[in-house]
Amino acid sequence: AQSVSQHNHHVILSEAASLELGCNYSYGGTVNLFWYVQYPGQHLQLLLKYFSGDPLVKGIKGFEAEFIKSKFSFNLRKPSVQWSDTAEYFCAFQAPDDKIIFGKGTRLHILP
Amino acid sequence: DVKVTQSSRYLVKRTGEKVFLECVQDMDHENMFWYRQDPGLGLRLIYFSYDVKMKEKGDIPEGYSVSREKKERFSLILESASTNQTSMYLCASSPPGLTIDNEQFFGPGTRLTVL
Repeated sequence: AQSVSQHNHHVILSEAASLELGCNYSYGGTVNLFWYVQYPGQHLQLLLKYFSGDPLVKGIKGFEAEFIKSKFSFNLRKPSVQWSDTAEYFCAFQAPDDKIIFGKGTRLHILP
Repeated sequence: DVKVTQSSRYLVKRTGEKVFLECVQDMDHENMFWYRQDPGLGLRLIYFSYDVKMKEKGDIPEGYSVSREKKERFSLILESASTNQTSMYLCASSPPGLTIDNEQFFGPGTRLTVL
């Protein structure tokens, strides 16, 4: 079955710490991969996406993600987090039938 | 400026009522989606539509139906609301096929409470 697994449900970090959120997907074919972010009280917005080409993708606000095909992974990283990064993060993939499958989300809490 | 709008931000209904959630997009997208978002469960796909009058069941269609009479509008219907349908409902739209510019755009959500 098609699915997305996010390794951590809740992450707490101090400001300036480095961040890595794990994501693995279960699908054997070509996929588009996404990370979405939902800040408190706001709607979902796209953080970054991978379609093809360079497996290291840079997104907004200093985030990046690396697609490792052999590991079916698309981990999100940021070298130094800020208090304003407190949000819920969702990994997702889109299969050729246009369905987008989301992970269960990771709540990130940054301590000032 | 692309936009997906949902008819209500907050809605309170009683058990057994028929509930309509409306979604409109102005991007001329073929694909539209309804999700529900619950803490710890992420976004789960209820129904989606590839075109007018077309619909496909998602992962959790039970208790819901949809209507797509016009390209820009996708309605979610709860025939007889129950308390376990209390949730945040998100509508989204996207263009068809896999392209480098493909992404879903989300509406602000409707927080439905069923008493």
